Amino acid sequence: KAGVTQTPRYLIKTRGQQVTLSCSPISGHRSVSWYQQTPGQGLQFLFEYFSETQRNKGNFPGRFSGRQFSNSRSEMNVSTLELGDSALYLCASSERTGRRLSNTEAFFGQGTRLTVV
Amino acid sequence: SQQGEEDPQALSIQEGENATMNCSYKTSINNLQWYRQNSGRGLVHLILIRSNEREKHSGRLRVTLDTSKKSSSLLITASRAADTASYFCATPTSGTYKYIFGTGTRLKVLA
Repeated sequence: KAGVTQTPRYLIKTRGQQVTLSCSPISGHRSVSWYQQTPGQGLQFLFEYFSETQRNKGNFPGRFSGRQFSNSRSEMNVSTLELGDSALYLCASSERTGRRLSNTEAFFGQGTRLTVV
Repeated sequence: SQQGEEDPQALSIQEGENATMNCSYKTSINNLQWYRQNSGRGLVHLILIRSNEREKHSGRLRVTLDTSKKSSSLLITASRAADTASYFCATPTSGTYKYIFGTGTRLKVLA
């Protein structure tokens, strides 16, 4: 089974621009979550999508948005980029089926390294 | 704020020695998961321990969970240079798939 695939791996953008990141979950996984990792704040939850609907949201400004398609692939968009948005963005996929949450693992992709200049 | 705190923040050991890192969390949990991250790359899933389990093994990894103390430990036995990485614990916020991560332990294994 292929793992979680994130594209692109690296991005350099200018302040004020917008960016779209993509995540393809493990086949059969329907939940996709996004995380931001920075040296100062560590790993922070952005949002989770399941069945094309946002189910949970972290404490990030509205410039951060996402969506999920019918094939469970997800995209994350950041508008009006700021220098502080430079980070590693990680996507995680989970089965989120009839299995109990206590047994559900979250698997991560390699991340997209975004640098805002 | 992050729920998990890990201890120590950094650990340096010789190859062949055991490495122990600890994680504390604040609220009740369904499970706790440990991950490894090599130098700013993705997170590799190591092991999941359910809230009703006290200990779990996987190869050279041993994880314990003490829900009364809201803490977990990860033991890596007979460490190798390839184990050099950051290790994180993560717990899903009650009833959701929103994971809260610890601050991580940076492990360096010297050959």
